[in-house]
Amino acid sequence: AVQLVESGGGLVQPGKSLKLSCSASGFTFSSYGMHWIRQAPGKGLDWVAYISSSSGTVYADAVKERFTISRDNAKNTLYLQLNSLKSEDTAIYYCASPPRGYWGQGVMVTVSS
Amino acid sequence: DIQMTQSPPSLSASLGDKVTITCQASQNINKYIAWYQQKPGKAPRQLIRYTSTLVSGTPSRFSGSGSGRDYSFSISNVESEDIASYYCLQYDNLPPTFGGGTKLELK
Repeated sequence: AVQLVESGGGLVQPGKSLKLSCSASGFTFSSYGMHWIRQAPGKGLDWVAYISSSSGTVYADAVKERFTISRDNAKNTLYLQLNSLKSEDTAIYYCASPPRGYWGQGVMVTVSS
Repeated sequence: DIQMTQSPPSLSASLGDKVTITCQASQNINKYIAWYQQKPGKAPRQLIRYTSTLVSGTPSRFSGSGSGRDYSFSISNVESEDIASYYCLQYDNLPPTFGGGTKLELK
């Protein structure tokens, strides 16, 4: 069965950094593009970033130049480096392949002083 | 980016009702639309992909249709377990974009 397990979330002060990880299993991770999607408390789903199987990347304007998506196919792991965090980045972050219906359980990131 | 306009934002239904949610894309998305259900505290769960293909495990009371820019999602005979929020997602173009969501409540 497909499993995506996120880790690395927590409480962080504005301006600080955090790195999220997503461990994948049950499918050929290296063959698929992967996404990070976030959901602010009580709000809808917002796409954050995408990385192709060949590591090409695309970012939402709101996170461009602050967040970096990467992958390690040898470790079947997806990453999201979050820098210069703002209060509006507070959300549950999901590792996902939305077209295929693959989603992790999500990890909470809270940006607050 | 393709915009997905989902309506209504909320819906009140009685058990056994049929309900319909619509999504209109800002351009033709070639049937590349999926529908998701999300319950509080849970990750979204895909119910339908490519407009009308039910994902394994999705009850047959769920259905989807549409083409071009206009798509719909229906639940016939609403059950209590269907109380949740629903989202459409277009995946024809990068970035994938979601509709604003529809919260289904019991009347």
